[in-house]
Parts: sequence; structure tokens; C-alpha cells
Amino acid sequence: AQKITQTQPGMFVQEKEAVTLDCTYDTSDPSYGLFWYKQPSSGEMIFLIYQGSYDQQNATEGRYSLNFQKARKSANLVISASQLGDSAMYFCAMREDAGGTSYGKLTFGQGTILTVHP
Amino acid sequence: DGGITQSPKYLFRKEGQNVTLSCEQNLNHDAMYWYRQDPGQGLRLIYYSQIVNDFQKGDIAEGYSVSREKKESFPLTVTSAQKNPTAFYLCASSMGRDGNQPQHFGDGTRLSIL
Repeated sequence: AQKITQTQPGMFVQEKEAVTLDCTYDTSDPSYGLFWYKQPSSGEMIFLIYQGSYDQQNATEGRYSLNFQKARKSANLVISASQLGDSAMYFCAMREDAGGTSYGKLTFGQGTILTVHP
Repeated sequence: DGGITQSPKYLFRKEGQNVTLSCEQNLNHDAMYWYRQDPGQGLRLIYYSQIVNDFQKGDIAEGYSVSREKKESFPLTVTSAQKNPTAFYLCASSMGRDGNQPQHFGDGTRLSIL
């Protein structure tokens, strides 16, 4: 079974509108973390936002927020007020604690390509 | 500025040849990682290292080798045993086991077969 599933291969949004990128995960580890990264066409990976499994509140970083629904095992990224520069591939990733033996390893989803139209 | 430097940016390999991808970080991070990315796909873990002189295989280690002789450096060798090496390779580092610390990535190396 896939540990991280991003069901939207591509998404389109109008500039200045909000968009939600979906991510569901599968783990039996009670301690885990969820990360979102942005990958522009140039290839570098840019860290956007983090949510820990024990965090009580949804994470926010500027225009990025994470809609964390633990019972549903979903961690959707919400980008508000989209900008043309937001056009990129977006990856959801999970770190499982594995009793402290994971060494911070991440498992990545397949990604969602976001295109922002003017 | 602190960061991760990968070199070269582009690399070409002949059949039967080993090539080494460089990854250097000056973030004083303990952990380092190598990922492979195929077109339109997510990242898959090749090798990772928590401390100097120690490393573990990731999900797709066959045909690759690494070393960690210095904290700052984690080179990846793509051996001739890797039959389909054409891909984008990304190196990352992090503080280590601290769960909320993100991995920081280099700009990547694109490897192609001649």
C-alpha cells in the first residue's frame, strides 16, 4: 500500500484564488510528521510547511496552511491568494518515528503539478 | 551562506562506467540523504547516513554506493551495476532524528547515459 497518496496529478487555479492540494497517508506509527515541499521547474526542493502528529493546531506559514485531519489521515495543503510563481510541482512527504530509528527518513508522494493562470 | 552544494549539475555516463556525484553541506547537519527522481515522479530514497562512517540502504540502493568519511560530505557513486541510471539525483541533509526539522535539499544533478 502507498504510504503517501496524492490523487491529483494536476491542478489549475486562477491567480489570487485559493487552492487545496490533497494528501492522504497511511501509517500505524503514533508519532509522525508531515511535510510539504515545492519543486519549481528548475528542480530544487523548497520546504513549505510541517505538521506533527501530536500538534493540536493546523500549521500555517504565510500563504500556506495545512488542513490536518488525523482521523481521516489527510494533510491537505491550502495555498491562499495564488500567485503566478506558485506554479510548480508540490510534494507531500511523511516521516515516521519508528521508535526513534527512522533517522528522519521521508517517504514522498507522487506529486501534484499546480498551474496558476493569470 | 549555509547550504548544500551538489556537483556537477549535469553528468553523462558511458556504458560500464562508474560515476560519482558530489554533495557537500555547511549546515552542520548530522544526517544526509540521497534521492532519485524519475520524470513526473516522486523522490525515492537511495542511501542515508546519520553520522560519520555510518550509512544505511534506502528503498532503491542496488547499483549505488556511498561513503561518509566527513560530516560535510556524502558522495554517491552510480556503479555500472545500475542498469537504468538516467534520472535526477537530489542530496539532502537535516539535523537528524529531530522530527520537526525539515530536510534541506541541494539543486540536484541530472545524470544521463551516452
